[in-house]
This record gives sequence, C-alpha cells and structure tokens, in this order.
Amino acid sequence: EIVLTQSPGTLSLSPGETATLSCRASQSVSSRYLAWYQQKPGQAPRLLIYGTSSRATGIPDRFGGSGSGTDFTLTISSLEPEDFATYYCQQYGGSPLYTFGQGTKLEIK
Amino acid sequence: QVQLQESGPGLVKPSGTLSLTCDVSTYSISSSHWWSWVRQPPGKGLEWIGEIYHAGNTNYNPSLQSRVTISLDKSENQFSLKLNSVTAADTAVYYCAATIVGTTKLDYWGQGTLVTVSS
Repeated sequence: EIVLTQSPGTLSLSPGETATLSCRASQSVSSRYLAWYQQKPGQAPRLLIYGTSSRATGIPDRFGGSGSGTDFTLTISSLEPEDFATYYCQQYGGSPLYTFGQGTKLEIK
Repeated sequence: QVQLQESGPGLVKPSGTLSLTCDVSTYSISSSHWWSWVRQPPGKGLEWIGEIYHAGNTNYNPSLQSRVTISLDKSENQFSLKLNSVTAADTAVYYCAATIVGTTKLDYWGQGTLVTVSS
C-alpha cells in the first residue's frame, strides 16, 4: 500500500497569507496520479487539483500544485476566509487503488 | 456535472449488514464513469472502499474485500454498497463518488450519509 503522509497536521495562518501543504508518499507516485481535495465541516470533499498541478473546474488560480516522485505540495496564495478547511492528498494506482493522506487542517490564526 | 445522493439506514446492529444506495442523476449509470464508495469515520480521514463500472467490473480495497459487495441497477440508475459483519469500527459517513473513465480522481461526490453501528 502506498502511504501518504501530510504535514503539518494543522496550519494556522491569517487571511492574505500563503499556505504550503506537504504530501509525502511512501513510494514514488506518477505525477498523473496525485490529486488534492478540500473538505469543509459537514460537507463532502471537493476536487481541487489533479495530475499534481491541474486545477479542477471552477477552482481559483490561487490554488496551485507541484511536485514529483514522493514529494508533492499544495500552495494556496492570498488566503481567503473560505479557504480555511481540511485538505487531503490522494494517489491512484497502488493497492488499494485510491489512498488518501490523513489531512492537513488549515485554520485561521 | 454528475449528481449523486446516498440513502439507507442510519443505524445498523453489530454483526449485521450495512446497505446503502447511491442515486445517480443527470448521467446514465451506463456512461463513462467508475462509481465508487468512500467512507470517513467521525473526525478521521478518508478511506476508499471500492468501485464498479457499468460492465460489471469491480475493484475493492483489500482491507475490506472479504466483507464488501458493490453492485449496480441500470433500471434504477443507481449503485449500491453492502458491507457485512459490521462492527463499531464501521461507523462512518459513507460517500458515493464518480470518476470519469480514463482519469484517476474522484470528480463528483454525494453529500454523504452517516451510518452508526450500535445495538
């Protein structure tokens, strides 16, 4: 199983700042197979980024993804109040087919 | 935009069978999507359970494979999850989700339904 480890567990920032979230895989993941989701309390996850760096439909360009191999990053610039949520990375292709990181909670400082 | 809606009992007894249905609207279940179930225990992360394609192909999480069956009903445009021999550890919000064939992400999600395993 490919294990995804996200850091930090919680990130406290203020609106207007830049958030950098990390996702490290236990073995190499194709950049085509790495995605990020945003989840707000009481809501389903929402796809943000796929293929490491492609934004899903309707996702603002302050959300950016990068990385390769075992290290991937989600960057959120100029944080808006609605960006404070929990973020999960996800890989495809191992066994099980989909695994998720444990999540990073982005909270208002 | 695929719309998904989960339904089923919110309470299941230990050792019983958890049964959920996901109604698919705006698209035919025979369209080019894989149909998945994902769960999230209260306050915890996401766990993929398995997926099905309209041709009947399935893929399951090995950790749950012995207890899980995912099926679909083309006449009702829905797919279902059955998880047997449940314990308190199966208490979670269960989501249905859809993946566009040829991609490797969960594009669309239902709102989720909480299932509690308790006597």
